[in-house]
Amino acid sequence: AQSVTQPDIHITVSEGASLELRCNYSYGATPYLFWYVQSPGQGLQLLLKYFSGDTLVQGIKGFEAEFKRSQSSFNLRKPSVHWSDAAEYFCAVGNTGGFKTIFGAGTRLFVKA
Amino acid sequence: SQTIHQWPATLVQPVGSPLSLECTVEGTSNPNLYWYRQAAGRGLQLLFYSVGIGQISSEVPQNLSASRPQDRQFILSSKKLLLSDSGFYLCAWRSANPHGYTFGSGTRLTVV
Repeated sequence: AQSVTQPDIHITVSEGASLELRCNYSYGATPYLFWYVQSPGQGLQLLLKYFSGDTLVQGIKGFEAEFKRSQSSFNLRKPSVHWSDAAEYFCAVGNTGGFKTIFGAGTRLFVKA
Repeated sequence: SQTIHQWPATLVQPVGSPLSLECTVEGTSNPNLYWYRQAAGRGLQLLFYSVGIGQISSEVPQNLSASRPQDRQFILSSKKLLLSDSGFYLCAWRSANPHGYTFGSGTRLTVV
């Protein structure tokens, strides 16, 4: 069965520091992978997605993620965090040919000055 | 461009009262539609999804139901709310794979 694990419930980084949010998935074939961001009290916004091709994908707001099949991972990175990046981040996996997407439990990012 | 509208934004309802949350999508046709619930401090739980008018798939047996009376309208309902129905409800749409979801702004439901 599909599953998504985000090992870090929350992470605190200093403004200007680099960021990496971890995501591991379980799926029998090549998955569709997504990262979403949610500001408090708001819906989720798609940051980036991977479904084939280059394993390093670029997204909005300066984020990128790398698909590593051997590690079943799809970690999200940003070289320099801004205070406005404080939010909750969700990794998700979709099944090819299917209709459903499974979300991880989320990682809350705190940014300190 | 495509937009998704979800209302109301917040709702406080007594236990045992009915519920109706509405979601509409504009700018696309035959979208896949979804209802998710997000409990405090937890991830997203898929409640229902629909691939067409009148077609509803339920993921979690519970006190809720969904309907899709029109192509771009998705309604979440309950006849009698429970305290455990409190949460943040999100509607989303998606075209065919491999596109991601577009989410509505959510409804904060508090059952008292």
